[in-house]
Amino acid sequence: GAVVSQHPSWVICKSGTSVKIECRSLDFQATTMFWYRQFPKQSLMLMATSNEGSKATYEQGVEKDKFLINHASLTLSTLTVTSAHPEDSSFYICSANEREEQYFGPGTRLTVL
Amino acid sequence: DAKTTQPPSMDCAEGRAANLPCNHSTISGNEYVYWYRQIHSQGPQYIIHGLKNNETNEMASLIITEDRKSSTLILPHATLRDTAVYYCIVRAHYGQNFVFGPGTRLSVLP
Repeated sequence: GAVVSQHPSWVICKSGTSVKIECRSLDFQATTMFWYRQFPKQSLMLMATSNEGSKATYEQGVEKDKFLINHASLTLSTLTVTSAHPEDSSFYICSANEREEQYFGPGTRLTVL
Repeated sequence: DAKTTQPPSMDCAEGRAANLPCNHSTISGNEYVYWYRQIHSQGPQYIIHGLKNNETNEMASLIITEDRKSSTLILPHATLRDTAVYYCIVRAHYGQNFVFGPGTRLSVLP
């Protein structure tokens, strides 16, 4: 099946710094990518929908100025967590559609100290 | 909110079939049933999907009731590596995001 990669797989940062997470569709083009967040022992929660060449659509309660999303090409979407705080520590997962199936990246574990 | 209901947890003996139920009584005519699983600290993995006919692939079988209000995912010979959280999701069409419920935590026991 199609492959979606994420980089980095894990990151530790100090409070107040910004962290960028990349999501790539390796063998297909994705006009739409999704960003999810998962806290320990909870399910995935959609944060935003990333559209190539246009602004992302954020879910209610997700601060767009804090979670900056850029989808500059058909194979790359980035999520930047700005001024990260310990409560932003979570598992961030992206996904992309190919035809009827949606493929997920391996996730990025962010720990903010 | 998720449109599906699944038992929170199930156990299965290694080598036996694992049958995971899902209730989706409010499913619409154009909605597909998808199954994904998530092994600890990994991204969700696609398993199978279907509309109204039963489906089978190299990983599993999907049995959808005639009224489409419920379905069962069958792992024919469960192994320890099948221990994961299994999510049953309904989605109308290509391009729409998935809404994840809490899923079923399947433990395959030796």
